Amino acid sequence: AQRVTQPEKLLSVFKGAPVELKCNYSYSGSPELFWYVQYSRQRLQLLLRHISRESIKGFTADLNKGETSFHLKKPFAQEEDSAMYYCALSGPGSSNTGKLIFGQGTTLQVKP
Amino acid sequence: DAGVTQSPTHLIKTRGQQVTLRCSPKSGHDTVSWYQQALGQGPQFIFQYYEEEERQRGNFPDRFSGHQFPNYSSELNVNALLLGDSALYLCASSYRAPPGSNQPQHFGDGTRLSIL
Repeated sequence: AQRVTQPEKLLSVFKGAPVELKCNYSYSGSPELFWYVQYSRQRLQLLLRHISRESIKGFTADLNKGETSFHLKKPFAQEEDSAMYYCALSGPGSSNTGKLIFGQGTTLQVKP
Repeated sequence: DAGVTQSPTHLIKTRGQQVTLRCSPKSGHDTVSWYQQALGQGPQFIFQYYEEEERQRGNFPDRFSGHQFPNYSSELNVNALLLGDSALYLCASSYRAPPGSNQPQHFGDGTRLSIL
């Protein structure tokens, strides 16, 4: 079964602390993995994707095929990082047009 | 460019009624996908339209149907509404570029549907 699991509904950290939002997936084959973010009163938007291997707003995520994980990390959290974060996957080669399977989301709360 | 636009923003219906939600894709996009997001859950894929045809479908009953017009805009229709259909309905658009060309899906603000 194709599934994305985000075990934490809420992650609360202090400003300047490291952040790791967990994402595990189940998929037969080689999926493409994404992190989407939704800031307060804004629409869902793409944060990063594993095939780009880039850092956006200080966030990085490494695909671990052995552990079927795609955890999102940032060394020093900022208050503006507070948002809802969704991990998602799609079939290989279809990330721009294929269906996305989302996790339940993790609310990141960065306290001053 | 306003990006993906959806209408209406909110809608209240009663059980058994029918509803139509509308989506205009981002300029330059030709593919539209619809998602249902229940409270506290991640979005769930309903279906996708490209070249005015349904190309992929998620695990939703036939009560959920759609349409895409020549200008790439799309409608989502839901018949015989149930209380469980109460949710935020999201539209996402993209350009059907070659795989791996880094063209992400863009989401609208959604339509909040409440069933009484």
